[in-house]
Amino acid sequence: SQQGEEDPQALSIQEGENATMNCSYKTSINNLQWYRQNSGRGLVHLILIRSNEREKHSGRLRVTLDTSKKSSSLLITASRAADTASYFCATSIQGAQKLVFGQGTRLTINP
Amino acid sequence: NAGVTQTPKFQVLKTGQSMTLQCAQDMNHEYMSWYRQDPGMGLRLIHYSVGAGITDQGEVPNGYNVSRSTTEDFPLRLLSAAPSQTSVYFCASSRRTGPQETQYFGPGTRLLVL
Repeated sequence: SQQGEEDPQALSIQEGENATMNCSYKTSINNLQWYRQNSGRGLVHLILIRSNEREKHSGRLRVTLDTSKKSSSLLITASRAADTASYFCATSIQGAQKLVFGQGTRLTINP
Repeated sequence: NAGVTQTPKFQVLKTGQSMTLQCAQDMNHEYMSWYRQDPGMGLRLIHYSVGAGITDQGEVPNGYNVSRSTTEDFPLRLLSAAPSQTSVYFCASSRRTGPQETQYFGPGTRLLVL
């Protein structure tokens, strides 16, 4: 079964608005990563947050991690049409050499 | 650097045929892995390798074999293709001997099994 559960499955907003996606997981992790996938393409790494970090920023991206709730959120501020893509969280599980992906959030930015 | 390359980009097989999906990286990464992505789904790990000569199973290994004779190459073999293996296959690599760091993905191979 999938380690990560993402919410919502789909999100449609107007250009310029902020987009927030959430990821929940089940077991203790080393880190949590967020990836973007444009239609028909491979995944591109966005940001990594380690288990001892609570918040991280990269440009218009802000990621939070709450290990007590086993959840993370990805905030994209001032969205652009080019942000239209699917976004996946992935967890690196303690004691395992595996990266486990969630099912993703499909984000659509309307002009 | 070319990064992670995958061939072919698209393949059609008949049930029972075998084939090898190629994956290569030129970043001297230790960790390599294969995923499959089905419509509306995330990626599921098939096999992974923490270095040359070392491979292990992921979440959905049945029907697939891998080998890692060199650091650069990590081919995925379908032994006897089945329609359930219709999917998009992604290869990924990372610098460390585990997935603790950024994964670099190839562009994917679309496989259709009839």
